[in-house]
Amino acid sequence: GQQLNQSPQSMFIQEGEDVSMNCTSSSIFNTWLWYKQDPGEGPVLLIALYKAGELTSNGRLTAQFGITRKDSFLNISASIPSDVGIYFCAGTRGSQGNLIFGKGTKLSVKP
Amino acid sequence: EAGVVQSPRYKIIEKKQPVAFWCNPISGHNTLYWYRQNLGQGPELLIRYENEEAVDDSQLPKDRFSAERLKGVDSTLKIQPAELGDSAVYLCASSARPGTVLYEQYFGPGTRLTVT
Repeated sequence: GQQLNQSPQSMFIQEGEDVSMNCTSSSIFNTWLWYKQDPGEGPVLLIALYKAGELTSNGRLTAQFGITRKDSFLNISASIPSDVGIYFCAGTRGSQGNLIFGKGTKLSVKP
Repeated sequence: EAGVVQSPRYKIIEKKQPVAFWCNPISGHNTLYWYRQNLGQGPELLIRYENEEAVDDSQLPKDRFSAERLKGVDSTLKIQPAELGDSAVYLCASSARPGTVLYEQYFGPGTRLTVT
C-alpha cells in the first residue's frame, strides 16, 4: 500500500493567492517528485528533488526535499486558473526507481 | 519529442471478457512501467521493465494480468478475465537508464477501463 501522506486533501483558493502543500512519510526517501494531473490525462512531472535540503524552482513552483528525508513541500506562488488540477507527490526508497505516490491534493482556483 | 503513447484511451467491457492495453514509450527510454490508478488515488505500480526484462512484477496480479515487452520498446498489458474491481485508469510511463534521470518518469494519458 501507499506510504506517503499528502495534505491537504483539497484546497479552494482565490486567483493570485499562494499555495502550499506537503507530503510526509514515516520512512526515508531517496528522491521526491511532484506531478500535476489534469482530468483525463496522465501525471505531468513538475519538479524532481534528489538531495536532502534541496530547494528547486520551476517558474512559479518551488519544492523542497526535507532535511530528514521524510518530507517534501510544494509551493505555488500567485496562482492562476490553469493551476487547477490534482498534485501528487511521489518518492523512491531504493535504487530501482519505483515510485510510491501520495493520494494527491486537489486544487481549485476561483478567478 | 513525442511523449508516451497509449491506446485505447477508453474501454468498456463486460466482466469476464479479456482486454489489452498498448503503450509506446518515449524514444530511447529503456525503462517502462505500468501503473493502475483507482479513483481518488495515486498511481500504483503493477510492473517495471528494463528493456524486455520484467525486473519487478511483484504487484502484478498474475492470476489474471499479464504483460509483455517483446522487443524492448512497445508493451502490452492484458487482463483475462476482467472483474468489476479492475475498473481504473491504466497508466504507462517510461524513464531513461540509471546514471541519467531514472527517477523522472514520464506518463502517457492512460486508458480508462470500465468493467460492467
